[in-house]
Amino acid sequence: GQQVMQIPQYQHVQEGEDFTTYCNSSTTLSNIQWYKQRPGGHPVFLIQLVKSGEVKKQKRLTFQFGEAKKNSSLHITATQTTDVGTYFCAGRFGTGNQFYFGTGTSLTVIP
Amino acid sequence: DAGVTQSPTHLIKTRGQQVTLRCSPKSGHDTVSWYQQALGQGPQFIFQYYEEEERQRGNFPDRFSGHQFPNYSSELNVNALLLGDSALYLCASTRTGGPTDTQYFGPGTRLTVL
Repeated sequence: GQQVMQIPQYQHVQEGEDFTTYCNSSTTLSNIQWYKQRPGGHPVFLIQLVKSGEVKKQKRLTFQFGEAKKNSSLHITATQTTDVGTYFCAGRFGTGNQFYFGTGTSLTVIP
Repeated sequence: DAGVTQSPTHLIKTRGQQVTLRCSPKSGHDTVSWYQQALGQGPQFIFQYYEEEERQRGNFPDRFSGHQFPNYSSELNVNALLLGDSALYLCASTRTGGPTDTQYFGPGTRLTVL
């Protein structure tokens, strides 16, 4: 079936260390989005990737979409306490309107 | 420019009851999607409404139904509530045909079924 797997489920890092979360699908994705959800909050859109091999950067955040459009990653350089939250990927297949969310990676940053 | 709004914020119901949740999309948006987010899980797509019709549906039973009004606002109805329906219900809006698929989420309605 169509689903998006995300690892790891949890990640604890010291402030200043890097962080990476990965999403994988067994089926080719048409596009993938990344969201951040703070504790007690709602998902906030970060970015959308559409093209094979696409790389986008937002300050300390780097997003990649695999060449086969079956995987994606979010990398944060030199984490800060403001990066705390759960990061979700959400993939779309074909021309469907449904986004399939991963299970999320909960990031804890230790000062 | 108001973002996505949802009401109520919290709701407590008992098993077997029915509930209606409401969502107003971001200004300029015409498409509303509803998601269920259980604790510690990612949002699960329930359905999407566009032009007052259900355009796509996720893997949810018929107890979950919805409606979209001419002003693009939307309702989610859940009948015969089960304990397992306890979750955060999120509404997301977007503009069909817009330059991106960016979804803007509302703050959610926390439903507790006792």
